[in-house]
Order: sequence, then structure tokens, then C-alpha cells
Amino acid sequence: GESVGLHLPTLSVQEGDNSIINCAYSNSASDYFIWYKQESGKGPQFIIDIRSNMDKRQGQRVTVLLNKTVKHLSLQIAATQPGDSAVYFCAELMDTGRRALTFGSGTRLQVQP
Amino acid sequence: DTEVTQTPKHLVMGMTNKKSLKCEQHMGHRAMYWYKQKAKKPPELMFVYSYEKLSINESVPSRFSPECPNSSLLNLHLHALQPEDSALYLCASSLVSGQPQHFGDGTRLSIL
Repeated sequence: GESVGLHLPTLSVQEGDNSIINCAYSNSASDYFIWYKQESGKGPQFIIDIRSNMDKRQGQRVTVLLNKTVKHLSLQIAATQPGDSAVYFCAELMDTGRRALTFGSGTRLQVQP
Repeated sequence: DTEVTQTPKHLVMGMTNKKSLKCEQHMGHRAMYWYKQKAKKPPELMFVYSYEKLSINESVPSRFSPECPNSSLLNLHLHALQPEDSALYLCASSLVSGQPQHFGDGTRLSIL
């Protein structure tokens, strides 16, 4: 079936640098996307979401970009900190029919001090 | 601290045991979810309850039996599990189905 996938399984950055985590999705009917952060021993934590009628949304130090033309989603983290080290998942939701999230395969972000 | 509380945090059981996982939220959410997560993998949806009624069962084996006694509680009853069922079991809730989900920290289950 269709799925959400990520380009890089592990991303290593220096503290203070900006991080970009990418996600490709294949379900053209998806119109709502969420980024989750999962730290070791914890459940996924909501970071930011975006609907398909938008192409950019900003939060505190995070920005999500959506390119529907190429079905690509990215999470940008500014001034990456050691506390940002975690696994990041994108998830998609179709607004009709099956109202449940489909998660991508995840990217591990490692922040080097 | 998470607003979705799961107990126990860890559970070790034999293949012939019966146990239950519990999940509780007091955010007034009317959709609740069970996920299974294996190491280094994303969460996989098992069940969705919407307004205390089962709305999605992702073809989960009958040895997993969900129950939603009221809008704040979600249980997962376990019986005759297999070693491959060892995983982190996550509960989540959302205001209604299709809204952002809040996750608990999970129950780490080991089947001997």
C-alpha cells in the first residue's frame, strides 16, 4: 500500500547548526501532516502540523514545509540543541475515509556538542 | 509529563498468561488508539475507538482484545501471546478521530 517514507535514517549535526529532516509521501489524498519527536523511553511527542492548503508553518525554532507538487515534507530545526536528539517521524492523515495516522519510517537526529 | 497515562510501564509475561494494559486520559478526548512499536520502527496502528466504539481494527490477532469502558479509559487484554508480540505498546488519544494525537510513554512488553 501507499506509505510515508524518509530519505535519511540518521542525521548528525553540530550543536547550533540548523537541521533539516525530510519526508516523502505517496498518498495524494493525504491532506494533513504531523511531525512527532520520540526520545528514548518516551512516546511520540507532537511537534508541529500542517494542512495541505498551506505550504509553510512556523513554530518555536521549528518550521514545516510542504511541497504537494513533489509530495515532500520537511522539518527544519533552527539552532539545534542536544535536547533535540531523538527520532523524528512524519505522519499523514487523509481527511476522509480512514481517519488514522500513517507514520513514516523515522529519522534519528544526533546532535554533536 | 504526558497527559496520557499508561500502566504498567514494563510487563514480562509467559505465553500462557493473561494480562491487561491500561491507558487513561482526562483531556475530554473522544478518540483513543492502541499502537504497537518494535525497536527502530514507527508505531503501527492496532485499534481505534471513537466515542467508545471500535472504529478500526487493523486485522490484529484475537489474542489482543481491546476494551473501552468509558471515554477516559482504554484497556488492551492480552492472552496466549507469542514471543514476536514483544514490543512497546503505545496508547494515544485525540479530541476526535483525525485530530493530532497525544501519546503515552507506553508499556514495554516482553513475552518469555
